[in-house]
Amino acid sequence: EAAVTQSPRSKVAVTGGKVTLSCHQTNNHDYMYWYRQDTGHGLRLIHYSYVADSTEKGDIPDGYKASRPSQENFSLILELASLSQTAVYFCASSDGGYAEQFFGPGTRLTVL
Amino acid sequence: GDQVKQSPSALSLQEGTNSALRCNFSIATTTVQWFLQNPRGSLMNLFYLVPGTKENGRLKSTFNSKESYSTLHIRDAQLEDSGTYFCAAEAGPGNTRKLIFGLGTTLQVQP
Repeated sequence: EAAVTQSPRSKVAVTGGKVTLSCHQTNNHDYMYWYRQDTGHGLRLIHYSYVADSTEKGDIPDGYKASRPSQENFSLILELASLSQTAVYFCASSDGGYAEQFFGPGTRLTVL
Repeated sequence: GDQVKQSPSALSLQEGTNSALRCNFSIATTTVQWFLQNPRGSLMNLFYLVPGTKENGRLKSTFNSKESYSTLHIRDAQLEDSGTYFCAAEAGPGNTRKLIFGLGTTLQVQP
C-alpha cells in the first residue's frame, strides 16, 4: 500500500514569514506533486518533480518554491507567506507518468 | 474546473439507493482517476482507469475516451459513502503529464 506522509498536519503562520511543508514517501516512486485545495477550486497543481534534484512548475507556482533533495522527500516552501496562501496542501506520489497518484493526508495552513 | 466538469455538484441519497456521478472532459486525456475525500479530508483512491470499465464492490466506473466522459456508479449507497467525489484527468506530454481535477460532487447519504 502506498505511503505518503506530510508534516506538519496543520500550521499557523504570520504574513511575511517563511513556511516549509514536508512530504515523505516510502513507495519508491519517481514522481512527486504538491497541490493546494481551496473551497470551490478543487485541487490545483503547484509544483511537481520526476527526479531527485529537479522540480517543475505546475499550474499555480507563483509564491511557492519546491525542493526535491532525494527520491523520498519533496518540500514546498513559501518564502513570504501571504493571506491568499491559506489553504489545505496535499502531496502525492506516482510511479512515473500515466500512473495512479497516491495522496498524503494534507496540511492545513492558515496565514494570519 | 472548466476542463473537467463534474455533475451534479451536490447530491443527497437515501441509504440503499443507487446513483451515478459524471465527469465530462474538454481536454484530451488518456487516463482518469476517481477519488473520495472523506469528511476528515483524506483523499482515497477509488479507480484508476484507461478506457473501459472497472468494478469494485458497490462501485463501478467507466471511462469513454471517444466521447470524453467518465461515470461513477454507486449501488446500494451506505452512510460511509458520504463525502466529496473528485474525478481527475491525466493530460500533457512526456514528463509534464499531470492531473486536472474537477470541482467535485458532494454526496450525502441519509439513513
